[in-house]
Amino acid sequence: EPEVTQTPSHQVTQMGQEVILRCVPISNHLYFYWYRQILGQKVEFLVSFYNNEISEKSEIFDDQFSVERPDGSNFTLKIRSTKLEDSAMYFCASREGLGGYNSPLHFGNGTRLTVT
Amino acid sequence: LAKTTQPISMDSYEGQEVNITCSHNNIATNDYITWYQQFPSQGPRFIIQGYKTKVTNEVASLFIPADRKSSTLSLPRVSLSDTAVYYCLVGGTSGTYKYIFGTGTRLKVLA
Repeated sequence: EPEVTQTPSHQVTQMGQEVILRCVPISNHLYFYWYRQILGQKVEFLVSFYNNEISEKSEIFDDQFSVERPDGSNFTLKIRSTKLEDSAMYFCASREGLGGYNSPLHFGNGTRLTVT
Repeated sequence: LAKTTQPISMDSYEGQEVNITCSHNNIATNDYITWYQQFPSQGPRFIIQGYKTKVTNEVASLFIPADRKSSTLSLPRVSLSDTAVYYCLVGGTSGTYKYIFGTGTRLKVLA
């Protein structure tokens, strides 16, 4: 069964550094998402992406965050200057979104970001 | 956006049937109901989705009453490996709809 893959599985960085989290969505999917989950808390929506542009973003997704689909297969989340509070699991998700069928989200297994 | 309410936690014993109910009073006409399972340090995993009445797959059943203001996920004969957090989401049929996760139900299966 096709799956969403994320790399790296764990990233440790120092406060103020830039990080790029990478995702390869399922190949025929059209809609892409990033979520995050702080340890012990619920899964929070960050951003959705379709047709090479951001469709919607949450208040968490401020100017320090950006997303890109550089080559038609990868989907990246960049944090320009990391803060301690950015420490979390970051999940990439994709969905097919064809026609009227409410295709479900398929999630990767996440990147654990630790900011020190 | 339709808000969902679920019990925070449930305990069950191996071999029992578990029913987790989700309330979504302001569900929109086009919204589907989707359930996800999440194990620690893993991404949410799709379990089942439905619009009305009953849906069954190899792992679960989903019961949706006629008014669609609630839904019940039924897990038959749970095992220890079903210990996880279960999330109910409601969402529309198209577009980039941002699926909002609630706090979920933490199911603990005991031996």
